[in-house]
Amino acid sequence: SQELEQSPQSLIVQEGKNLTINCTSSKTLYGLYWYKQKYGEGLIFLMMLQKGGEEKSHEKITAKLDEKKQQSSLHITASQPSHAGIYLCGAAGGSNYKLTFGKGTLLTVNP
Amino acid sequence: DVKVTQSSRYLVKRTGEKVFLECVQDMDHENMFWYRQDPGLGLRLIYFSYDVKMKEKGDIPEGYSVSREKKERFSLILESASTNQTSMYLCASTSDSGGLSGNTIYFGEGSWLTVV
Repeated sequence: SQELEQSPQSLIVQEGKNLTINCTSSKTLYGLYWYKQKYGEGLIFLMMLQKGGEEKSHEKITAKLDEKKQQSSLHITASQPSHAGIYLCGAAGGSNYKLTFGKGTLLTVNP
Repeated sequence: DVKVTQSSRYLVKRTGEKVFLECVQDMDHENMFWYRQDPGLGLRLIYFSYDVKMKEKGDIPEGYSVSREKKERFSLILESASTNQTSMYLCASTSDSGGLSGNTIYFGEGSWLTVV
């Protein structure tokens, strides 16, 4: 079965700093999702990547999928307290329906 | 706006009780999912359904069952709740073949279940 490893597990940054979260898969990624979660709440969809080398941006968040389609990174530029939360990567492997998730990265942004 | 609604945000149930968690989506999605989320373990798939009355086991189906009588509604059932089922439960839905076709998977707000 597919496994996703996220790093770091947690991250504390000063407001205004840039940061990167990584997601590494044990198998080829057919679709890689990034979600954000506030503690105790549901997941908010950020971006979805499918093609090797693909890069997408939304406001100050950029996500990339490497050429080999086994690793993705999420980069936040000039972080703000509103970026704080848990970031989760999820991947569809060989099955259409089953989505596997990483354990998440807890981001704290200090003002 | 897209909506996946979970009927109960917070529940407290006794050991041995039968528990129903309801999820409704208004997007006419074929696929619906139930996950549980636990500290250190992340999200784990319990069951999913790809059509009305169709269901498949996920990674941790033991102690759970599901019902999908109508396309918009997917229910998770704990036949006899136990304390190790205390968790955050998340429902999700997507159209067609979610991951491979690039369709967004939408999540509900989550249901916190405590079994005492």
